[in-house]
Amino acid sequence: GENVEQHPSTLSVQEGDSAVIKCTYSDSASNYFPWYKQELGKRPQLIIDIRSNVGEKKDQRIAVTLNKTAKHFSLHITETQPEDSAVYFCAASILEYGNKLVFGAGTILRVKS
Amino acid sequence: SQTIHQWPATLVQPVGSPLSLECTVEGTSNPNLYWYRQAAGRGLQLLFYSVGIGQISSEVPQNLSASRPQDRQFILSSKKLLLSDSGFYLCAWNAWGSLFSPLHFGNGTRLTVT
Repeated sequence: GENVEQHPSTLSVQEGDSAVIKCTYSDSASNYFPWYKQELGKRPQLIIDIRSNVGEKKDQRIAVTLNKTAKHFSLHITETQPEDSAVYFCAASILEYGNKLVFGAGTILRVKS
Repeated sequence: SQTIHQWPATLVQPVGSPLSLECTVEGTSNPNLYWYRQAAGRGLQLLFYSVGIGQISSEVPQNLSASRPQDRQFILSSKKLLLSDSGFYLCAWNAWGSLFSPLHFGNGTRLTVT
């Protein structure tokens, strides 16, 4: 089955710096890659997603890149702010009935002010 | 618009007691439904998913079970809780038949087994 690896497990950056989180997946048939942000004690919420036919997608300070050949995708956050501090999860889809998502282990991002 | 309700928000149960967590979705028909568990400081582990009434797929062997008695209702159960069942349980849904439908999570149930 699909396996998603996520690195780093923790990331500390200074406010205003950029943060990059990387994920690799194993199933070459996966075609949908969302990123979720989870604040402490809250539910994960979708922040950006990308489909396999797109190499890059941006939404204000957040961008995601996808390299299907290498089977990896990355989340880029620019001009980080303290409110960006959270746990971030990447995920990859499995082409089954429910388009089931397999999640990475998560990255704890700390933005120091 | 679609909404997902999950209850209770918190639960403290003794070892060996039964469990029933309920999740309902409003504003959509025939959703895919999921139960995830998140241990403290850990990732999201898929426990069960369902593509229709009475159709349940289990991802990991455990003493938990799931049922879908109605189209938009998903229930997580256990006959006898273990200490290791403690965690944050999240119900989620996405649209059936859509290859690119993101997951929408409920607010979660924090279960502590004592």
